[in-house]
Formats: sequence, structure tokens, C-alpha cells
Amino acid sequence: KQEVTQIPAALSVPEGENLVLNCSFTDSAIYNLQWFRQDPGKGLTSLLLIQSSQREQTSGRLNASLDKSSGRSTLYIAASQPGDSATYLCAVHMDSNYQLIWGAGTKLIIKP
Amino acid sequence: GAVVSQHPSRVICKSGTSVKIECRSLDFQATTMFWYRQFPKQSLMLMATSNEGSKATYEQGVEKDKFLINHASLTLSTLTVTSAHPEDSSFYICSARDRGDRGGIGYTFGSGTRLTVV
Repeated sequence: KQEVTQIPAALSVPEGENLVLNCSFTDSAIYNLQWFRQDPGKGLTSLLLIQSSQREQTSGRLNASLDKSSGRSTLYIAASQPGDSATYLCAVHMDSNYQLIWGAGTKLIIKP
Repeated sequence: GAVVSQHPSRVICKSGTSVKIECRSLDFQATTMFWYRQFPKQSLMLMATSNEGSKATYEQGVEKDKFLINHASLTLSTLTVTSAHPEDSSFYICSARDRGDRGGIGYTFGSGTRLTVV
């Protein structure tokens, strides 16, 4: 059974710092992996999607990497801003169906 | 881009009443919709998967008679929480997969519904 773990559960850093959020999964037979952002009490915004054949994806100040063999993905946020404060979730899409399996998220606070 | 409209965003109801949550795909056809529930400080948990025109598939531990899902068209799915109790208070989010998706992102999420049962 696939399990997705995110570390740390919470992170507070000063504005301007570069930071890394971690996501690990137990079953490497994934179809793809996605990083999402969730603002308090709101829905989800998809940030980056990495197909199983890819190593990384970039969008603006965000860079997500994927190492299937070790069951890890990282989300790198460069030059963090207060507006980046949110909960970041990773989810994996297994091969056999469309279900996403979610991590519990990392709550990020960027202090001005 | 693809948009899923979810209503209501917040609802407070009395214990024992029923609440209906709607999700509409506004500019695409959603053959499959997913309903998730999220308790505070926990990850999203899939409740059920609904395919247009057929019965929903419920995850283990989710009562199908309590959480009624109807996916009557390619643009509308509803979740009805019947005889709601305080332990049903949660954040419910729907997600739709574009019929035309070819292995891309495919998922579009509603904005969520905060249900509080008093």
C-alpha cells in the first residue's frame, strides 16, 4: 500500500530564504507526482506535475525533483516571499487508477 | 483554464439534517469526479470516485448511504451528507478529471466546502 510522507510538517523562515520541502513515498511504481498548494480554508492549486520518466520540473521560483528509485521528491522554493505562505501537499498518482494518494502537507510560513 | 465551481463554500447545519454540495465543471467535461474529505491537520482522504452515469465507488470505511453521490451529467456531481452529525464536520473538496485529458495534469479542484454540524 502506497504511503506518502512529508517532512517537515511545519516550517517558518524569514522572507528571502531558499527552502526545500520533502516528500517520500513507499512504492516507486508511480505514474506521476504532483505538488499542490492549499491556502487556509480553500481548495487546491496544482503547482508542478512530474511524470515518472522525468527528473524535475520548474515553474518560476519553484523547482520540483523526482527520484523514483529512492522514493523521494523535493520542492525547492527560491527567494521565498510572504505570499508563499500556505500548506504544500504532494500527491502521487499510481498506475492502475486515477486516485491520488496524498501526503499530510507541510505548513509553510514566510515571515516578512 | 479548466475550472470547477464548488458550492457552498461554507455551511452550518443542525445535527440530523442533510446537506448537499455541488461541483460543476465549467468549461470541460468531467467523466470522473473525486470527493475528498480533510480533517484539521490531516491529509486529504479520498471518499469516493464517481463516473458519469454510473454508481459511485466508495472507499473502505465510507458509508455510501450517508454520503450520497450523484454524477448525473458530465458537468455536475453532487455529494449529499445525510443525517449529518458533528463528526461529519470537515472540509470537503471535489476534483474533476477532464474527459479530454491525455495523461497531463488532468485534475481540477473545487474551492472546497467547510461543513460545520452543530
